[in-house]
Amino acid sequence: KQEVTQIPAALSVPEGENLVLNCSFTDSAIYNLQWFRQDPGKGLTSLLLIQSSQREQTSGRLNASLDKSSGRSTLYIAASQPGDSATYLCAGRDYKLSFGAGTTVTVRA
Amino acid sequence: DTGVSQDPRHKITKRGQNVTFRCDPISEHNRLYWYRQTLGQGPEFLTYFQNEAQLEKSRLLSDRFSAERPKGSFSTLEIQRTEQGDSAMYLCASSFRTSDNEQFFGPGTRLTVL
Repeated sequence: KQEVTQIPAALSVPEGENLVLNCSFTDSAIYNLQWFRQDPGKGLTSLLLIQSSQREQTSGRLNASLDKSSGRSTLYIAASQPGDSATYLCAGRDYKLSFGAGTTVTVRA
Repeated sequence: DTGVSQDPRHKITKRGQNVTFRCDPISEHNRLYWYRQTLGQGPEFLTYFQNEAQLEKSRLLSDRFSAERPKGSFSTLEIQRTEQGDSAMYLCASSFRTSDNEQFFGPGTRLTVL
């Protein structure tokens, strides 16, 4: 069974700082890895999908890397803004997603 | 808005009652998934469909839970004889069966069992 761990559980930074969110998984046979954002009481918004043949994906201020050999993925958010405050979840999978518990980010204005 | 809709958004019920939730996936997506999320945790996989066929059910899905996708379009999740431990957010996702299989989530149904 795929176990996914996210560190830290919570993070508070001043506006403008870069964010680094970590995700580790136990099964290196991970197929793809997907990062999501979740606002309180809401559903999940897909941020980035890294296919197993890729090492990273970028979208705007977001960059995610995947190292299957070490079982790790990292999400970087550059120049954080208060609107980035949310819970960020990573999920590894084949056809079904196995989620970490998330990192709750607070960006202080 | 991802294009996946769920109804209702909130449901409050008394213990022992039956509840049914509906999910409408993105129209061209042939895969549909149900997940459950409790406070402070990531979502947990419950079941998934490819077209109308239910291909896998998690051990989390007790006999009180049943899911259907009768015509390969919308899906329903029914919980019979609800218990307080069923209180959670129920999330639906859909995807198109390709090599990337990116899943798109609906807004969820928040269930509270009193």
